[in-house]
Amino acid sequence: QQQVKQSPQSLIVQKGGISIINCAYENTAFDYFPWYQQFPGKGPALLIAIRPDVSEKKEGRFTISFNKSAKQFSLHIMDSQPGDSATYFCAARMNSGYSTLTFGKGTMLLVSP
Amino acid sequence: GAVVSQHPSRVICKSGTSVKIECRSLDFQATTMFWYRQFPKQSLMLMATSNEGSKATYEQGVEKDKFLINHASLTLSTLTVTSAHPEDSSFYICSARTAGGEQYFGPGTRLTVT
Repeated sequence: QQQVKQSPQSLIVQKGGISIINCAYENTAFDYFPWYQQFPGKGPALLIAIRPDVSEKKEGRFTISFNKSAKQFSLHIMDSQPGDSATYFCAARMNSGYSTLTFGKGTMLLVSP
Repeated sequence: GAVVSQHPSRVICKSGTSVKIECRSLDFQATTMFWYRQFPKQSLMLMATSNEGSKATYEQGVEKDKFLINHASLTLSTLTVTSAHPEDSSFYICSARTAGGEQYFGPGTRLTVT
C-alpha cells in the first residue's frame, strides 16, 4: 500500500516557469514532510521540509504548500532553471523516535533552456 | 545542512566475494542511520534501520545474513554485502538522522557484481 502518492511522474517546464509537484498522503499520523532533490548518480539532498502547523514554507525559489484537511502538500519551484532538472521525491514521517520516511515514487523534472 | 559521506563511491567485485560500504556523519552525531537501495528510475527502498549500539532492524524481504549492518559509533555505520551476486548490483545509499529529526543522505555507492 503506497502511503504517499506523488504526481506527475515527469514534468517538462520552460526556463523561468513554475514547476509544481504534488503529493497526497493517507496516514494522518504523519507530521513531517520533506522534499528531496536527486541528481543522477547522487544521493538525495534535503531541499525543504514542513510540519503541519504551518500552511506554507518558502526557502528561496522553493515553496511547500500544505493542506492538512485535504492531506496534500506540494512543491513549487519558481523561476525554474535548467540546473533544477533532477528527480524530486516527497516523503512523510511520523514524529516518533524510530519512525522511517515513506517516499513518493518521484518526479523527473526537466527544465528546458 | 549536515553532511553524510559514503565510501567507496563505486565498487566492482566478483560474484561470491563480500563488499563493505561505510557511511559517516561528518558534522553531527546520528543515533539512527538508514540503508536504502535504489534501482534505476525508481524510488528509494528502505533496507534497514540501524541504531547505535544495537542490532539493525531489517525491512521485510531483506536478508539480514546477506546484508550485514554494523552501527559501531554515533558517526559510523557499515553495510557488508556478503557473497555478492549479480542481482545485488545496485545503488546503495545511507542516511543519518539528526537530533532535530532531519534526515540527510550520503552520495551513494554504485555496486557492480560481475
